[in-house]
Amino acid sequence: GAVVSQHPSWVICKSGTSVKIECRSLDFQATTMFWYRQFPKQSLMLMATSNEGSKATYEQGVEKDKFLINHASLTLSTLTVTSAHPEDSSFYICSAWGWNTGELFFGEGSRLTVL
Amino acid sequence: GQQLNQSPQSMFIQEGEDVSMNCTSSSIFNTWLWYKQEPGEGPVLLIALYKAGELTSNGRLTAQFGITRKDSFLNISASIPSDVGIYFCAGQFQGGSEKLVFGKGTKLTVNP
Repeated sequence: GAVVSQHPSWVICKSGTSVKIECRSLDFQATTMFWYRQFPKQSLMLMATSNEGSKATYEQGVEKDKFLINHASLTLSTLTVTSAHPEDSSFYICSAWGWNTGELFFGEGSRLTVL
Repeated sequence: GQQLNQSPQSMFIQEGEDVSMNCTSSSIFNTWLWYKQEPGEGPVLLIALYKAGELTSNGRLTAQFGITRKDSFLNISASIPSDVGIYFCAGQFQGGSEKLVFGKGTKLTVNP
């Protein structure tokens, strides 16, 4: 069945460095991908929506220059947290939607810890 | 961002008991979805509802799309320890590739 895979599943980095998280759709083409951030004991908060081949649409309050999203192919979207700081530590989750599935699938999530 | 009102926030129950949780919104949704999330993992879809009044079951889970399109509930019957997790409702205004609006979640603990 359709699966969405995220990599890495967890990452620890130093403050000031950049971290890239990949979101891949397996077995289907994802025309739309969503990136969420989830803090402990809280719900998922949408960060941005990306459509393949176009610029991502960011939610209010999300810095597009800090959270770079690329959706260059129908099976891959990347989220790059630039100049990461401890407050960026969170669980980042992607989801993907494709016309041939008609359903939204979530990745397993990536836990980022910034020291 | 916008969120749905989900209650209760947490539940502590005994194995075998039934569970009910619900979500309400001031806005009308065309699609309601219920997800379960376990620690360190992404949400997994449990039930999707597409029509007002729709009642759908998935094993011991039953969910309904409210007639007003502004609410939904999820019931779990005869709970078992593996039901433990956080349950989220989510709504879509249009459906399809549109973004989801999530509830704040209901944390379920089942005591054996």
